[in-house]
Amino acid sequence: GESVGLHLPTLSVQEGDNSIINCAYSNSASDYFIWYKQESGKGPQFIIDIRSNMDKRQGQRVTVLLNKTVKHLSLQIAATQPGDSAVYFCAENREGSYIPTFGRGTSLIVHP
Amino acid sequence: KAGVTQTPRYLIKTRGQQVTLSCSPISGHRSVSWYQQTPGQGLQFLFEYFSETQRNKGNFPGRFSGRQFSNSRSEMNVSTLELGDSALYLCASSLTSMRGETQYFGPGTRLLVL
Repeated sequence: GESVGLHLPTLSVQEGDNSIINCAYSNSASDYFIWYKQESGKGPQFIIDIRSNMDKRQGQRVTVLLNKTVKHLSLQIAATQPGDSAVYFCAENREGSYIPTFGRGTSLIVHP
Repeated sequence: KAGVTQTPRYLIKTRGQQVTLSCSPISGHRSVSWYQQTPGQGLQFLFEYFSETQRNKGNFPGRFSGRQFSNSRSEMNVSTLELGDSALYLCASSLTSMRGETQYFGPGTRLLVL
């Protein structure tokens, strides 16, 4: 998709490995965070979210970790599959604000 | 349930022209948001409509406008197109406009301004 632009950070992994995608956010007043997956030619797809009163949340094969001290968010994907190849974005919402701020994205490439 | 649909999928315009993009949300969804995605700036929020009212607005010039109809379908308009308006325009819908509610994105309209 359009998000796969020039100079996107890229993470290459082998099928079956665990993947960790990182995101640094800028606003200490952000209290809600979302991870999206965007495959080529498609719009972003919601993966998982987390609120600032939590530091970890698990979904199916995915875990999001939030470290508010260093303003860092990570997405862990267990047993990565070729279908996980996509660009992954984090988004943050400032407290009280509806408007999300998106990170630049990381391109995940899974080799069979 | 059908997903979010956007038309057209691809569009080529020249500088100075105007363009109208359309978004049909998921049935029952009343909130529609628009985003611009470019390699240089990434994903940026344009505006959000709920029940035919613009509730939130991003930091874009007045050349970018939108509206929502009573059936929740939404259009966005860009007047006096500039080369820098070339982008993927994404629409997302959700049930209401509450924070924390999952947004469902359409496939986007790819606009090229020559």
